[in-house]
Amino acid sequence: QVHLQESGPGLVKPSETLSLTCTVSGYSVSNGFFWGWIRQPPGTGLEWIGSFSHSGSIYYNPSLKSRVTISVDTSKNQFSLNLSSVTAADTAVYYCVGDSRSSWYYYWGQGTLVTVSS
Amino acid sequence: EIVLTQSPGTLSLSPGERATLSCRASQSVSSSYLAWYQQKPGQAPRLLIYGASRRAGGIPDRFSGSGSGTDFTLTISRLEPEDFAVYYCQQYGSSPPTLTFGGGTKVEVK
Repeated sequence: QVHLQESGPGLVKPSETLSLTCTVSGYSVSNGFFWGWIRQPPGTGLEWIGSFSHSGSIYYNPSLKSRVTISVDTSKNQFSLNLSSVTAADTAVYYCVGDSRSSWYYYWGQGTLVTVSS
Repeated sequence: EIVLTQSPGTLSLSPGERATLSCRASQSVSSSYLAWYQQKPGQAPRLLIYGASRRAGGIPDRFSGSGSGTDFTLTISRLEPEDFAVYYCQQYGSSPPTLTFGGGTKVEVK
């Protein structure tokens, strides 16, 4: 069974960089899956941030592309999200996700709330 | 960019009733790339339907998806107490690869 768990600071100051890590168990991130990040501001809907494939292709939401970096650490079976120059609008629950297809996601982490505030 | 519009925003129904949720796309979407999720308060979304009409693993057969082109529907044949939640449609665009979600439909107890 594939299990994903997000970790990282729950509070980030404006203009700083939000950094989260997703630890995967039950499957290797270097195998034939797609992995990514999706966020949900409080009380609103879902927004895709970006995804990557086991082959190394990375895709970002065009609206966030200039501020987002997704990277993978196969030795730790983890992947990470960095979002720079954050503002209050980046306050959200951040989910890491995975699936054998890039078209939808079956596996979700429980989510972690990140608040941007001074 | 394809925009997904879900309607109604809120659906008030009683247990045992049939729920019909709509997802309309601003441009034609490949049926292969349309999915539905269920989200309960405080929980991550759960994949219900993929490829417009295929149920994900463990999803009861009272959930069904249909549609093509720009109009897609999620139907819950008989609402169970655990089905009251928010439902999102999602489409995948391949050039460039992107995912977009609809705004959601809340199914609440009447």
